[in-house]
Amino acid sequence: RKEVEQDPGPFNVPEGATVAFNCTYSNSASQSFFWYRQDCRKEPKLLMSVYSSGNEDGRFTAQLNRASQYISLLIRDSKLSDSATYLCVVNDEAGANNLFFGTGTRLTVIP
Amino acid sequence: EADIYQTPRYLVIGTGKKITLECSQTMGHDKMYWYQQDPGMELHLIHYSYGVNSTEKGDLSSESTVSRIRTEHFPLTLESARPSHTSQYLCASANQGTDTQYFGPGTRLTVL
Repeated sequence: RKEVEQDPGPFNVPEGATVAFNCTYSNSASQSFFWYRQDCRKEPKLLMSVYSSGNEDGRFTAQLNRASQYISLLIRDSKLSDSATYLCVVNDEAGANNLFFGTGTRLTVIP
Repeated sequence: EADIYQTPRYLVIGTGKKITLECSQTMGHDKMYWYQQDPGMELHLIHYSYGVNSTEKGDLSSESTVSRIRTEHFPLTLESARPSHTSQYLCASANQGTDTQYFGPGTRLTVL
């Protein structure tokens, strides 16, 4: 079983749409959660950390549900520049405290 | 923007060659990592280091080796490259006490 599982995608949405991605993780002891963004053939870049109470950064909202062990990312008013792969990332609290990366969900925003 | 650098950015070499992929960061981060990523696939951790003279193998078995003689430098070496080593190699670093990792631009390696 993978440590982090994500919606397979791809998601193709029109500009201005709202889109949500979900992710589940297997390690109940995990304490740190992130969403990274990766453009085609580029390195991952931190989009936002995910806090227990949920957090918002402009058009992006992240939620954490510890009981169900899932994380979500909501993007409102999608822009063409939001087209990328979004990686769900969870720390390995019980091990060496490294990070586990999901396969990613590809988003394409269409004009 | 993260101050973490990788060279070369692209490398095409023949089977059997020895290669070293360079990674350096100017943020003073103690923790550094090497990942391997194939197209459309997740990142796999192959090596990590928590400080000078500390190196550990990651989750993915790899024929590469690493060294950490200086805080800012974490090179990865393949003694004898094979076509199965063709992949993208990403270096990352993180500050002590946090899990947030910052990535270099990657090295795209092709072994013929």
